[in-house]
Amino acid sequence: KAGVTQTPRYLIKTRGQQVTLSCSPISGHRSVSWYQQTPGQGLQFLFEYFSETQRNKGNFPGRFSGRQFSNSRSEMNVSTLELGDSALYLCASSQTGNSNTEAFFGQGTRLTVV
Amino acid sequence: DQQVKQNSPSLSVQEGRISILNCDYTNSMFDYFLWYKKYPAEGPTFLISISSIKDKNEDGRFTVFLNKSAKHLSLHIVPSQPGDSAVYFCAAHRSNDYKLSFGAGTTVTVRA
Repeated sequence: KAGVTQTPRYLIKTRGQQVTLSCSPISGHRSVSWYQQTPGQGLQFLFEYFSETQRNKGNFPGRFSGRQFSNSRSEMNVSTLELGDSALYLCASSQTGNSNTEAFFGQGTRLTVV
Repeated sequence: DQQVKQNSPSLSVQEGRISILNCDYTNSMFDYFLWYKKYPAEGPTFLISISSIKDKNEDGRFTVFLNKSAKHLSLHIVPSQPGDSAVYFCAAHRSNDYKLSFGAGTTVTVRA
């Protein structure tokens, strides 16, 4: 059974550009969550999708957006990139997204903004 | 507002000894707790979890203890092995919240 797949693994962008990251969940998992990890910080929750609907959103500016497709694949978009957006972006999938279900993470996309 | 806290950023332990990682939380609505292990340049890997209705869960060398009254949980690794050297994250979940709240992580180094 394939795990959570995130593409691309690495990205370098310049300030002001926009970027789209992709996440393919484990087969059968309908919940996809996105997290940002920066040095010295734990994982900060961005948003969660289930059946193409966003059910929860973290405290990030509107430049961060996402969507989920009918096959449960998800994309995350960051517009007008800032230097502080440089981070490891992690996607997690689970069957329901609710308590008592483990979330499985992809390897992440390392975004560097220069 | 950091609702899950890991106050020890690092832990060094001798191979074969016990590693004890601690985690505190502030939100009494959390009902499911998880530990993840993370190597550099990889995503977190699920280790072990515990429901709020239990106070202990064991899986091989890993045991998680939950003290609800103190809002505290701990992860015990016995015996510690060199491959256990990694960053360990404590995470908590609340029903119908659809997100995990993470601590900042504890870096464990197992010395040979």
